[in-house]
Amino acid sequence: QVQLVESGGGVVQPGRSLRLSCAASGFTFNNYGMHWVRQAPGKGLEWVTAIWYDGSKKYYADSVKGRFTISRDNSKNTLYLQMNSLRAEDTAVYYCARDRHGSGSFDYWGQGTLVTVSS
Amino acid sequence: DVQLTQSPSFLSASVGDRVTITCRASQGISSYLAWYQQKPGKAPKLLIYVASTLQSGVPSRFSGSGSGTKFTLTISSLQPEDFATYYCQQLNSYPPTFGQGTKVEIQ
Repeated sequence: QVQLVESGGGVVQPGRSLRLSCAASGFTFNNYGMHWVRQAPGKGLEWVTAIWYDGSKKYYADSVKGRFTISRDNSKNTLYLQMNSLRAEDTAVYYCARDRHGSGSFDYWGQGTLVTVSS
Repeated sequence: DVQLTQSPSFLSASVGDRVTITCRASQGISSYLAWYQQKPGKAPKLLIYVASTLQSGVPSRFSGSGSGTKFTLTISSLQPEDFATYYCQQLNSYPPTFGQGTKVEIQ
């Protein structure tokens, strides 16, 4: 069965960096685009970034452009999110999600990892 | 960016009720609209994609309709496990955007 497991969250000071990972299993990882979506405490869902199946294209929300970098290692079935220059407003649960081919939707989600940016 | 506006933001209903949630897009998005259900402390779950296609394993009491700028999610007979927050989402064009959510609570 499809599984996505995020890791790497924690408490970090403003201005510092953090790298999240998302380990995928149960499907052919290198056939699918992947996304990161976040949810601030008590708030709605916010799309963060996406990467094509082969890593050739990447997209970012304006709120993270220039600070966050998405990448993937298809040999390790793992998705990454490098987060630099973190701000208090980046505090959220971060989910990785699989792109459902051709539909513009996200069909499988991880359980999420909490990132707290605080001094 | 495409703005999605859900109505209502909050809905109180009883088991067995028919419930309808509306999602309006600020510009036409063809049928590239999805609906998700989220329960507290859990990840969102895909219910419907391309406006009206039921995701595998989702009960048939859920249905979706619409195209262009107006979409609806209908639950034909609300069950206890359906009390949750529902979000619409579009990816007709980047960036993907979500509606603000509709919380369905027990009356």
